[in-house]
Amino acid sequence: EAGVAQSPRYKIIEKRQSVAFWCNPISGHATLYWYQQILGQGPKLLIQFQNNGVVDDSQLPKDRFSAERLKGVDSTLKIQPAKLEDSAVYLCASSPTRGLETYEQYFGPGTRLTVT
Amino acid sequence: AQKVTQAQTEISVVEKEDVTLDCVYETRDTTYYLFWYKQPPSGELVFLIRRNSFDEQNEISGRYSWNFQKSTSSFNFTITASQVVDSAVYFCALSESGDYKLSFGAGTTVTVRA
Repeated sequence: EAGVAQSPRYKIIEKRQSVAFWCNPISGHATLYWYQQILGQGPKLLIQFQNNGVVDDSQLPKDRFSAERLKGVDSTLKIQPAKLEDSAVYLCASSPTRGLETYEQYFGPGTRLTVT
Repeated sequence: AQKVTQAQTEISVVEKEDVTLDCVYETRDTTYYLFWYKQPPSGELVFLIRRNSFDEQNEISGRYSWNFQKSTSSFNFTITASQVVDSAVYFCALSESGDYKLSFGAGTTVTVRA
């Protein structure tokens, strides 16, 4: 079974530029998450999708961040305009809808964003 | 409020030593789930274990064992006879019932020296 795919793996941009990240979850996983992991910290949830609907985006800075999952499979996370403090690893995770396994999230390799 | 606390920032051991990682959590729910994840230098978070709040049995998987104590709100993780490949950042996380999202601790960096 293929894991969660993310691209690009690395991105360097200047502040005020825009950037987009892509995630393809494990096949059949209905729930998809985006996390932000700042160096030296644990991941922090940005947004959670169930199929193509948003379940929780309370921690998403909506003035600059947006995310979509139009067909309930792939997802994109966009930052526009980027700030220096957005430098972090952006992790995508997915989970099945299968009893208690719904709580188990499987993570992609992440996209390391550097804003200069 | 911090829901998961990992007080140890870094632990360094020599190969074959045992290492115990502490995790203390906070929740008002009676049903919740606790997790440990490993993040090796490659960066990908690897799921290690899920423990349900209503199951306080300790668990052993190979060289890994977990001690869950509701009375002290702790879910500690022990690596027995550590190996260099165990070097990674380990995260404890909490999910409250029906929520599914994970609240992570700050992580503990384990370095195993040959």
